[in-house]
Formats: sequence, structure tokens, C-alpha cells
Amino acid sequence: DTGVSQNPRHKITKRGQNVTFRCDPISEHNRLYWYRQTLGQGPEFLTYFQNEAQLEKSRLLSDRFSAERPKGSFSTLEIQRTEQGDSAMYLCASSPGQLTGELFFGEGSRLTVL
Amino acid sequence: GENVEQHPSTLSVQEGDSAVIKCTYSDSASNYFPWYKQELGKGPQLIIDIRSNVGEKKDQRIAVTLNKTAKHFSLHITETQPEDSAVYFCAARDNAGNMLTFGGGTRLMVKP
Repeated sequence: DTGVSQNPRHKITKRGQNVTFRCDPISEHNRLYWYRQTLGQGPEFLTYFQNEAQLEKSRLLSDRFSAERPKGSFSTLEIQRTEQGDSAMYLCASSPGQLTGELFFGEGSRLTVL
Repeated sequence: GENVEQHPSTLSVQEGDSAVIKCTYSDSASNYFPWYKQELGKGPQLIIDIRSNVGEKKDQRIAVTLNKTAKHFSLHITETQPEDSAVYFCAARDNAGNMLTFGGGTRLMVKP
């Protein structure tokens, strides 16, 4: 399968714990995006990378959130000191670049904070 | 920033009927408008898109129309089938081409 891969698919954690999600984009795609989706809502932009450079971050991305893409391939999204409001689906998407437009989404990582 | 509104939030139709979902956007500089379908437990998948230099685009049973003056665009699905049941999202991309802003989604239910 050469699509966008996300791990883990589900994560249940206690409030205050740290969690990390990984995204492996389609191999030739240089843009990688993180979105958050809560139940019954559309995906909300968090951040994106062009190769290894993080070019934009949403105001939704508080200081507890950090994303990296160290070698321009896979990316990680870490949430520190999780809160119940962090419970959501975290979606990763990749794109060949600006001109093509289409985002290819992974199946998401669902986080439940107890 | 861009704001995308989507209506209705739920839509129920009989198999074989048509379904129409409407979206409005706020940023007149937006130039790319995709529609995504999301099935339960899966990520959104692109089904059709339209760019600002085109007023209408059709792909088999689905079509999208764009009115740049009014800043709204619509998805039309004809001859609906039960497998069309899903959540549909419209989106708009900013002129810099950096990210998509999504609408709130429409849950489409096609009754056999």
C-alpha cells in the first residue's frame, strides 16, 4: 500500500500523559499536513511542512503541541500534558506540492483522553 | 482567514434521487475548491474539485458548480446509490496555495 500511513490508529491515555503520533506520507510528496477533526466537524488545519521545514502553524496548535519532520519524510505530532479537550481524530495528509492542490489523507489517529 | 460554511448538515434522499450540497466561502482570493467524501473510520478522499477559472465540472454522476461573484459552490450527485452514503466536506484553498479550509460537513443518507 503506497498511501499515507498513520500510527497508532487509536490511542487511549490518561489526562496529563504525553502522546506521539506518526505519519508516513506518500514517498514522493514534499508537503505534509496535520489536521484535527472532532466529532461532527470538518478537519481543522494544525500545521504543514514543505520537506523538513515547518512553514505554518495554526493558533489551534498550543505550546503543548509540537510537530517535526526531521528528514523531510515521516512526521511526528506530539501532545504533551494531554487534556480531555485534545480528544479528536488527528489526520495527516500529503501533497506533491502547491500547484496540484489535492491532499491525500491517511486514515487518522484517534485520541481519547480520559 | 478563510471561512467556509456548508449546508445542510444532514441530507436524506431516496435511492435514485438527486442530492445537492452547498458551500459559501469568504476569501475572494481563494482559487481551488475540492470536495471530499469521508466514510466511517476512514480519512477524507477527494471526489471532485474545481478551480476558479471554471464554472462547472462533471464526472459521471457528480458535478460541481462555482459562482465566484457570489462566492459559493455546490456539489450535485445524481441517481444516488446507497454507497453514496457518507459525510461530504467542501473546502477552499487560499491564494498562496498553502492549506485547505474545510466546511462543517454534510451527512448524506441514501435510503434504498
